[in-house]
Amino acid sequence: SQTIHQWPATLVQPVGSPLSLECTVEGTSNPNLYWYRQAAGRGLQLLFYSVGIGQISSEVPQNLSASRPQDRQFILSSKKLLLSDSGFYLCAWGGLSGRATAGELFFGEGSRLTVL
Amino acid sequence: KQEVTQIPAALSVPEGENLVLNCSFTDSAIYNLQWFRQDPGKGLTSLLLIQSSQREQTSGRLNASLDKSSGRSTLYIAASQPGDSATYLCAAGGGADGLTFGKGTHLIIQP
Repeated sequence: SQTIHQWPATLVQPVGSPLSLECTVEGTSNPNLYWYRQAAGRGLQLLFYSVGIGQISSEVPQNLSASRPQDRQFILSSKKLLLSDSGFYLCAWGGLSGRATAGELFFGEGSRLTVL
Repeated sequence: KQEVTQIPAALSVPEGENLVLNCSFTDSAIYNLQWFRQDPGKGLTSLLLIQSSQREQTSGRLNASLDKSSGRSTLYIAASQPGDSATYLCAAGGGADGLTFGKGTHLIIQP
């Protein structure tokens, strides 16, 4: 069966520091991968998605970036964090593989980022 | 651009009641509509997926319907239990660019 892992689960960082959140998927090949952010009082906002290694699409201009160095690894980064980057970051996978039908998304447990 | 709206934003009912959560979306050109559950501080758990060619899906006490032409979906929860307390999220889309989410319905089931 497919599983998705995110880490770290919780992170407290000062303004201006770098960020790296990692997500890996097991039990599937060539998944679509997604980073969403959930800020307090707001819905989930799609940040980046990837349909293959090295292919990154950005939905919202910001100081964050994403990379997909391997088929089942998705990394969210920042060189300098802002206060507004605080939130709950969720990684998800989808695509035609195993029990996942076209477009069905499965989420990780999330990474809570607090920028002070 | 797809917009998803969920009504009500919050709901508190006594245990045992049947209830309906509503979701509407502006762009009917979707592949899927998916319902999720989110417990406080946790990730999203997929409850039901309705593909664009389907009208409804059922899982246990949950039933979700989809009317693409009117841009509406409902999640029906039968015989509610305190363990059903959570935030329920509706999301539309399903293409390679993922899903667009509503802000959710915060549900409390009173024992």
